[in-house]
Amino acid sequence: QSALTQPASVSGSPGQSITISCTGTSSDIGTYNYISWYQYHPGKAPKLLIFDVSNRPSGVSNRFSGSKSGNTASLTISGLQAEDEADYFCSSYATSGTPYVFGSGTRVTVI
Amino acid sequence: QEQLLQSASEVKKPGASVIVSCKASGYPLTGYYLNWVRQAPGQGLEWLGWINPSNGDTRYAQKFQGRVTLTRDTSTTTAYMDLSRLRSDDTALYYCARGGYSTSWYPDSFDVWGQGTMVIVSS
Repeated sequence: QSALTQPASVSGSPGQSITISCTGTSSDIGTYNYISWYQYHPGKAPKLLIFDVSNRPSGVSNRFSGSKSGNTASLTISGLQAEDEADYFCSSYATSGTPYVFGSGTRVTVI
Repeated sequence: QEQLLQSASEVKKPGASVIVSCKASGYPLTGYYLNWVRQAPGQGLEWLGWINPSNGDTRYAQKFQGRVTLTRDTSTTTAYMDLSRLRSDDTALYYCARGGYSTSWYPDSFDVWGQGTMVIVSS
């Protein structure tokens, strides 16, 4: 089992906004702001979308935004586009064994 | 362009060892921590460990302590992950991923990833 819980799938229509949740504990998300989000297209290298809860690396679209409340982090994709169809996973610093824990991943489908 | 290029897929028998390589280009390998993570079929990602390529310091996940060894060759800008005593549940896609600056550890995100190396463990 993954340390962080994500919904298996989320879908939306082009132009809509969707939000992916990532739930952890007080040993990771609840205490630390070292939360990242990644986009993964099968067969390609994962791409960093968000770091430190809500910061975007240079070159990442501002349609991607991150937030946190309590033990849950969230990734919102605004203005959903066909190219956003991919897997997304979260990561957090943790003090419960390994320094990095990951979510199980969420498949985003643009319908 | 900053890239990490990993070695090709491997098929190994239970009990054997596997070495996966990860060559850095477009940036100095010694400038950043290098992490290794894996994803088993149908599972989430799992962190195995990191190496500081500037001095060779390593940290391993407790689960893999004693079975995984991370090394690097600065002359070829290549990092290596050696996983021994392979089991069927080690079947996974293994990634190397760049962390933060090697001057001091910080829980940085991973901003450059390799393309992944599939390791299949089967008798």
